[in-house]
Amino acid sequence: QKEVEQNSGPLSVPEGAIASLNCTYSDRGSQSFFWYRQYSGKSPELIMSIYSNGDKEDGRFTAQLNKASQYVSLLIRDSQPSDSATYLCAVNSDTGGFKTIFGAGTRLFVKA
Amino acid sequence: DAGVTQSPTHLIKTRGQHVTLRCSPISGHKSVSWYQQVLGQGPQFIFQYYEKEERGRGNFPDRFSARQFPNYSSELNVNALLLGDSALYLCATSSGIPTDTQYFGPGTRLTVL
Repeated sequence: QKEVEQNSGPLSVPEGAIASLNCTYSDRGSQSFFWYRQYSGKSPELIMSIYSNGDKEDGRFTAQLNKASQYVSLLIRDSQPSDSATYLCAVNSDTGGFKTIFGAGTRLFVKA
Repeated sequence: DAGVTQSPTHLIKTRGQHVTLRCSPISGHKSVSWYQQVLGQGPQFIFQYYEKEERGRGNFPDRFSARQFPNYSSELNVNALLLGDSALYLCATSSGIPTDTQYFGPGTRLTVL
């Protein structure tokens, strides 16, 4: 079992729709959770961080965390073609030494 | 404020050579992490340094080493390069609190021939 799992996609949604991205993690000691966006050939840029169970909203983005189910999700409302990118889920853990584990990423295509 | 900077931008080496990559953090950030990203995969954690001490290490061979300087900048060294070391090497910095957000530099593209 991979430590952080994401559906690789591609996920294709029409412009204006809601895109839903999911991530599961294996380390119950994980403390903080992040979503990054990465355009082809560029470095990851932060979208959202979330630390406690529930929802966190920032503009068109909503992150959801359920520690009991070891599940993190990202919703993108009113998707735009400029949202087309790879979305990376990242999990911080201090169990057995600090580490940050990334999922392989989900490729999102927003069709105009 | 300046973001995370990395040098060089691109690098071409041959098998067996050694390489040094550099990273300067955002002002006020005391923690530096290094990642390797190959095409189609997420970044793989190599090291994290905080206050010049190694705080975490990923599953990479001893050919990979790093250090952090008093000004919190960092170097990643890779010895005896293999073809499989070709990748984008990313540096990310944070304040140092374990739960804190990391911000990435633009990366160094390493090609090993």
